[in-house]
Amino acid sequence: GQNIDQPTEMTATEGAIVQINCTYQTSGFNGLFWYQQHAGEAPTFLSYNVLDGLEEKGRFSSFLSRSKGYSYLLLKELQMKDSASYLCASMDSNYQLIWGAGTKLIIKP
Amino acid sequence: IAGITQAPTSQILAAGRRMTLRCTQDMRHNAMYWYRQDLGLGLRLIHYSNTAGTTGKGEVPDGYSVSRANTDDFPLTLASAVPSQTSVYFCASSRTSGSRDEQFFGPGTRLTVL
Repeated sequence: GQNIDQPTEMTATEGAIVQINCTYQTSGFNGLFWYQQHAGEAPTFLSYNVLDGLEEKGRFSSFLSRSKGYSYLLLKELQMKDSASYLCASMDSNYQLIWGAGTKLIIKP
Repeated sequence: IAGITQAPTSQILAAGRRMTLRCTQDMRHNAMYWYRQDLGLGLRLIHYSNTAGTTGKGEVPDGYSVSRANTDDFPLTLASAVPSQTSVYFCASSRTSGSRDEQFFGPGTRLTVL
């Protein structure tokens, strides 16, 4: 079957660094997406990885290991506005996204 | 219109009633999608359309139907609503259905079926 696992909730301190892990198992693989979703709002795109390695985009970086079925999202210099849910999604062989349940990130001052 | 819009924003519906959720995008995207989001579960794909005139079934299509008469609009219909269809519904679009094209989401419709 297809499965995406990520922690339900994480807490971090303003100004710190946090790593949100995601493991995936899908029928085929056409890339790994990360989205951010603030409470009561729509998901918005953060990153896409299809090759192994780290992609850096400002304070956010995303890593992929295809052999391990593993990705992480790294958030640096945390700000209060980063309090949100972070959704991991793997694109399967039919180019459909299989979504994790999301990781709720709580930032404390 | 800028991006993708959905209507209504929220709705309370009696079980057994028919309901159409509207979705319109102005980005000329070829692909469109309907998802439902329930607490503790990931987004689940209901139906999708890779291009105008075509539709396909996602993971949870039962009880729902869609049409794609033109590029911009992708309505979702619940023929006879049931309480298990209480959820937040998101419409999304992408330039193509290919791999690295990000999906853009509408603001969502919060539906309660009593």
